[in-house]
Amino acid sequence: DTEVTQTPKHLVMGMTNKKSLKCEQHMGHRAMYWYKQKAKKPPELMFVYSYEKLSINESVPSRFSPECPNSSLLNLHLHALQPEDSALYLCASSQDSGEVGGYTFGSGTRLTVV
Amino acid sequence: RKEVEQDPGPFNVPEGATVAFNCTYSNSASQSFFWYRQDCRKEPKLLMSVYSSGNEDGRFTAQLNRASQYISLLIRDSKLSDSATYLCVPRSGANNLFFGTGTRLTVIP
Repeated sequence: DTEVTQTPKHLVMGMTNKKSLKCEQHMGHRAMYWYKQKAKKPPELMFVYSYEKLSINESVPSRFSPECPNSSLLNLHLHALQPEDSALYLCASSQDSGEVGGYTFGSGTRLTVV
Repeated sequence: RKEVEQDPGPFNVPEGATVAFNCTYSNSASQSFFWYRQDCRKEPKLLMSVYSSGNEDGRFTAQLNRASQYISLLIRDSKLSDSATYLCVPRSGANNLFFGTGTRLTVIP
């Protein structure tokens, strides 16, 4: 299994809703990431988990809350989002926290906040 | 100076042409480098990894110049299916990839 699986593929939510994005990989990768990508822009790093511990939070607002229940799963809990949070949310994983190796990306969740 | 700079293009080339993209990076400590391609509304997919001076895979060649801090990607015999955005990605630090803004390529029949 060489994939990163993200669910749901599409999500529409209101500003008062609570929802969660899910990401799963079974490649034995020990680092997992959340990226946010707006149209015609490159992906921007949000969070990094290394060995199930949060290692980087790129000053992301608290309405985004990551969770890593185990080495294969990564969640992103969403609450009280704003319309400007509408974007493609990408999960990625890599073998470890070393310098070698690229990331494998999931196909993303396209989020629309109304 | 931005972490990673790429010419956004667009590059419009005919089928069969050779096209090259350059990318400059600011962090001299970067050890590994990647080219990703991203199709419209899809996730980035790893195209090539570069750990030494360069790498070649079929029609694709990546060259790294550490002294000048730039990486290039050469595509020979362009196909229609090569149309995509190409993202230059130095790996700076243990847990972070910095994405360039990407170069948009359109291969024209």
